[in-house]
Amino acid sequence: DQQVKQNSPSLSVQEGRISILNCDYTNSMFDYFLWYKKYPAEGPTFLISISSIKDKNEDGRFTVFLNKSAKHLSLHIVPSQPGDSAVYFCAASQNYGGATNKLIFGTGTLLAVQP
Amino acid sequence: EAGVAQSPRYKIIEKRQSVAFWCNPISGHATLYWYQQILGQGPKLLIQFQNNGVVDDSQLPKDRFSAERLKGVDSTLKIQPAKLEDSAVYLCASSLSAGDEKLFFGSGTQLSVL
Repeated sequence: DQQVKQNSPSLSVQEGRISILNCDYTNSMFDYFLWYKKYPAEGPTFLISISSIKDKNEDGRFTVFLNKSAKHLSLHIVPSQPGDSAVYFCAASQNYGGATNKLIFGTGTLLAVQP
Repeated sequence: EAGVAQSPRYKIIEKRQSVAFWCNPISGHATLYWYQQILGQGPKLLIQFQNNGVVDDSQLPKDRFSAERLKGVDSTLKIQPAKLEDSAVYLCASSLSAGDEKLFFGSGTQLSVL
């Protein structure tokens, strides 16, 4: 039962263009969504997040969009740079009154930005 | 600020042997997590500690996996005996509190079971 799905295993984009990474989820109780970025031989690092009460959050070149009715979120990177080449994980959590949260991760999308 | 430290970086063992991983979280982070990432999959939570107490271990295979966080700081994860399907990267992460979704991950321990 995969609650968070990233259906594109890989994506290749030209430098300077927009990268769009997609993520779908099935659990309507998720209330917080995050994107993590992972370079080879390193642990994932937090990139950007969005609460379920919002539909957009922007941080520099990175913007996350949330469509709750479609249970879909996307990460936009504009403009894409070669250093953005990494695996991007979508994650979702359901907060249990602040006592705990369990992050459910997708399988990741490998982004390759071509110079 | 020092990040999450993990050791060893790599470990190769034969099936039925035992192995242990160590993690030192970011100073001041009350919550510590162990994740298992099998090749081609996303990280899966094995166990979550709040200080030195277990918050969630519902996905920990307790017949072979054990973890402890004595004194609420460092943590060890042990597998005994190991199976072929335990080959994965074991990631330790920490966060300020249990309700904080922003996790800081270590570089992981890559385990190969032959």
